[in-house]
Formats: sequence, structure tokens, C-alpha cells
Amino acid sequence: AQSVTQLGSHVSVSEGALVLLRCNYSSSVPPYLFWYVQYPNQGLQLLLKYTTGATLVKGINGFEAEFKKSETSFHLTKPSAHMSDAAEYFCAVSGFRGSTLGRLYFGRGTQLTVWP
Amino acid sequence: DAGVIQSPRHEVTEMGQEVTLRCKPISGHNSLFWYRQTMMRGLELLIYFNNNVPIDDSGMPEDRFSAKMPNASFSTLKIQPSEPRDSAVYFCASTKGGTGANVLTFGAGSRLTVL
Repeated sequence: AQSVTQLGSHVSVSEGALVLLRCNYSSSVPPYLFWYVQYPNQGLQLLLKYTTGATLVKGINGFEAEFKKSETSFHLTKPSAHMSDAAEYFCAVSGFRGSTLGRLYFGRGTQLTVWP
Repeated sequence: DAGVIQSPRHEVTEMGQEVTLRCKPISGHNSLFWYRQTMMRGLELLIYFNNNVPIDDSGMPEDRFSAKMPNASFSTLKIQPSEPRDSAVYFCASTKGGTGANVLTFGAGSRLTVL
């Protein structure tokens, strides 16, 4: 079965600082991995996804994530935080077969706060 | 495309009342998902449909919850009778299914408060 663990429910950084949001996954087969962002009072929006190929994936708003199979990780980073990055971030892994195909398994989310 | 449309955006009701949440997926998408978001439990998948057929409803909390998808452009999630613990934000999402790589597009959510 697929599952995701996000380490740290809250992360705070100063504007201009590095953003690092951690995600570890569990999957019995090569996973498809996703990061979504949720701004207040809105639905989730895709930031980036990994399916196959290059393990470093670039997304919107300057975010990127690296798939590391040996560490079963898919951490999200951004070199320089901006105030507008304040939001909740969700890591997700996709189901692969049968009734789980296409289903996303989400982590509990990490709330990012950016201080001026 | 207008995206995934959910209604109502906010609903306040009293315990025991029936609640119906509505969702219009993106045209051409054949998979539809209902999620519930709470502080305590995070994002929970309630049910999902593929080609209008319920595939997995194991996340539906109890018999008070029911979901239907009568056609490709409309789905409902009904709670009858509602209870205060049902207070949450309910999201509908759709995708063009078939592989696990497809991206879900979420609606803006329906915030339900049961008094």
C-alpha cells in the first residue's frame, strides 16, 4: 500500500531563506509523486509531479523536488522564500493498481509561514 | 475551462438536517473524487468514481453519507442526518483517469458547519 509522511506540520522561514519541506513515501512499486499547495480558503493546486525520468523536478513558483529512491524521499525546496509562498503544502503518492489506480494518498500537510 | 465547480461554498445547518453538496467536474474528465479536510484528520478520501461508477467508497464514514454520479458532469455528496462532527471542508476533484500520473484538479471546496 502507498503512504506518505510529511515531517513537520509547521515550518517557519524568513523571507529570502531556503525552504525545505520533507516528504517520505512508502510504496511497493515505483511511485508517482506529487506536491500540491493550498492557499487559504482555496482548493489544492499542483506544484509539481514526478513520474519517470529525471529525478529533479521543477515546478511552479520556483519550487523543485528531488526523487531519491534510496531514501524513499521527495523533499520540496525553494532557494529563496517569498511572502506569497505562505500556504499549506501536501505531498502525495499515487496508487498503482486495481481500485487504487489514480487515487492519491496525501500526507498530513506542512504549513509554511514566511516572516518578513 | 471553468475548473471544478462546487456548491455551495458555505453551508451552515443544524444537527439532524440533510445536507447536499454538489460538484461539476471538468468536461472530459472521467474520474471524480470526494475528499474531506479537517484539522484533526487532514485530507481523507471519501469516495471516488470512474466513468460514473463508484470504485472505492471505503472512506465514507458511515451510512449517513452517500454519493451519486448520475452523469459525467454532475455528482452529489449527501449527509443525512448531519451531525456536528461532520463539520469540515469537502473537496471535489476530477482527472482524466487511466494512469496514476494524472493530475487531480480540485474545486474550491464546500465549508460545512453543523451546529
